[in-house]
Amino acid sequence: DADVTQTPRNRITKTGKRIMLECSQTKGHDRMYWYRQDPGLGLRLIYYSFDVKDINKGEISDGYSVSRQAQAKFSLSLESAIPNQTALYFCATSGGGSYEQYFGPGTRLTVT
Amino acid sequence: QKEVEQDPGPLSVPEGAIVSLNCTYSNSAFQYFMWYRQYSRKGPELLMYTYSSGNKEDGRFTAQVDKSSKYISLFIRDSQPSDSATYLCAQPGGGRRALTFGSGTRLQVQP
Repeated sequence: DADVTQTPRNRITKTGKRIMLECSQTKGHDRMYWYRQDPGLGLRLIYYSFDVKDINKGEISDGYSVSRQAQAKFSLSLESAIPNQTALYFCATSGGGSYEQYFGPGTRLTVT
Repeated sequence: QKEVEQDPGPLSVPEGAIVSLNCTYSNSAFQYFMWYRQYSRKGPELLMYTYSSGNKEDGRFTAQVDKSSKYISLFIRDSQPSDSATYLCAQPGGGRRALTFGSGTRLQVQP
């Protein structure tokens, strides 16, 4: 089984809709991250969490919110989706004081 | 200026060629660098990491850091079609133990 899972894997939604992307991990890591990936722009950090009570904004947090429901679960919400939020979204984890991050398979989100 | 810059490619080489992938960085606070490999429609996976200056070798892959020019390189020897992927360099930055990624270089190895 995959160590970092994301649901859904693909989602098409309409402008103005609320959508939640979910991430779960079985690696026992304390840190979790949400990134978006756009062609030519690479991976950009949206939010990161060092534990359930420690949540931080990343480079591009506007229009997004997160919830760390448990050490193993970290959700990303788009309160009112807009077309320029169409992208690949990745969840990642790290732990044990290491910089190395381990990524989930991604969610392809399309906002029409 | 982005903290980590990469040429997006694509870079196309014949099978068996030596490949050189490069990044420049501007943040000298962290002398720890990583290379990730991302296959199409997959998440990035850690390929190798290296500290400070010098080389680190792992099979056909060698990571090199040149602190004086703020340049990091990944060399792939005897490249294979299975090496076709996007390669991203990364270093700590942008928040406590968060990573800053380059935009990635797409590599195609032609059989």
